[in-house]
This record gives sequence, structure tokens and C-alpha cells, in this order.
Amino acid sequence: QVQLQESGPGLVKPSQTLSLTCTVSGDSVSSGRYYWSWIRQPAGKGLEWVGRIFVSGSTNYSPSLKSRVTISMDTSKNQFSLKLSSVTAADTAVYYCARDHMLRGLDPWGQGTLVTVSS
Amino acid sequence: EIVLTQSPATLSLSPGDRATLSCRASQSVSTYLAWYQQKPGQAPRLLIYDASNRAAGIPARFSGSGSGTDFTLTISSLEPEDFAVYYCQQRINLFTFGPGTRVDIK
Repeated sequence: QVQLQESGPGLVKPSQTLSLTCTVSGDSVSSGRYYWSWIRQPAGKGLEWVGRIFVSGSTNYSPSLKSRVTISMDTSKNQFSLKLSSVTAADTAVYYCARDHMLRGLDPWGQGTLVTVSS
Repeated sequence: EIVLTQSPATLSLSPGDRATLSCRASQSVSTYLAWYQQKPGQAPRLLIYDASNRAAGIPARFSGSGSGTDFTLTISSLEPEDFAVYYCQQRINLFTFGPGTRVDIK
């Protein structure tokens, strides 16, 4: 059974960099069968796709966040990570990681982690 | 960027009712459309992919249809656990999500 678990600081100061890691169990991020994605959701609002990475290192980012986002992968730890720079209160959200089945959709998802941007 | 709109924003129904949710794309996404269910405090769950294919373990009461710009998610007979928010998502050009339809108990 594939499981994903997000981890990282729950509080980040404005203008700093948000850093999160997704640890995958039950599958390998280096299998070459999937992309691995990040999605976020502000409280009470809808879902926003942030970006994704493939084992080759190829990445795709949301156009609205592209200038501030970096997604990377550590195959030795079976993890992938998100960095979002120059954060503001608007970046406060629950951040989810998910396996991106290229022919289907995002499945499964991690449970999500709340990141609050505040001084 | 492809914009998805969902209607209605809220659907108030009773258990046993049929639910029909709509998703419209600002340009054709062929059949590269998925539906997700999200319950309070939980992560979204994939229901339907490629417009009409049920994901593993999804009950047969959930069905999807459509192509191009107009799509429908139908729940044939609502069970108590189906009251949730439903999102559509396109994957023909990166990813975007619709704003969601909330199905609540009448």
C-alpha cells in the first residue's frame, strides 16, 4: 500500500523560504512510472496545483508560482521536496504531496500539513 | 491557462437522491479530466480519471461522462458518506482544478 507523508515546519516567517518534504513508502520515487506532485489548499478554499517532478529531474511548475518554487528529489531517501521562497500570508495553506499517475490523476495523496506564514 | 468552472456551487440533496455535478473547461481538454472527492479534514481522493474511468475501489454509483469542454459527475443514489466537496481537474496542460461543488444534506 502506497503512503505519502508530508513533513516540515508549521510556521514560516514572511519573506523566508517554506521547505517541506514528502516521504514515500510502498513505492519508489525512482521507479520511472510516476511524477510526484505538490498541491496546496488555503483554509476554506479550493485546491491549487504547485508543481511536480520526475525521476529524471524534469519539473513542471504552476505558472503563477514558477518564479518562487523549486521541487527536488532524493532517491536515496525515497523523498521529494518543495521549496517556496519569499513567502507571504497568501502562502498559508495545507500542503499535500501526491503520486501523479501520468495516465490517470493524483493518487494517492498524503494527509497534508498546515503551513502558516506569520511573524 | 485552462480555467475550470463547476456548477452548482452547492447541491442540497437527500440520501438516495441522484446528484449531477457539472464541470466546464475554458478550452478543450479532450477527455483528460479527473474528479476528486474531499471530506472535511481529509485529503482529496481520486474518483474518476480520463472523464469516465472509475479509480480503483470507487463504487459503481459514481460515474463520469463528457469530452471537450463539458463534463458531468453523477452519483446515482447518494449514500451518507457521499456528502462532501467534489473537484474536477484537467491534465492536458499542466494541472488546474475547478472551484468545487459542495454536496450537502438537505
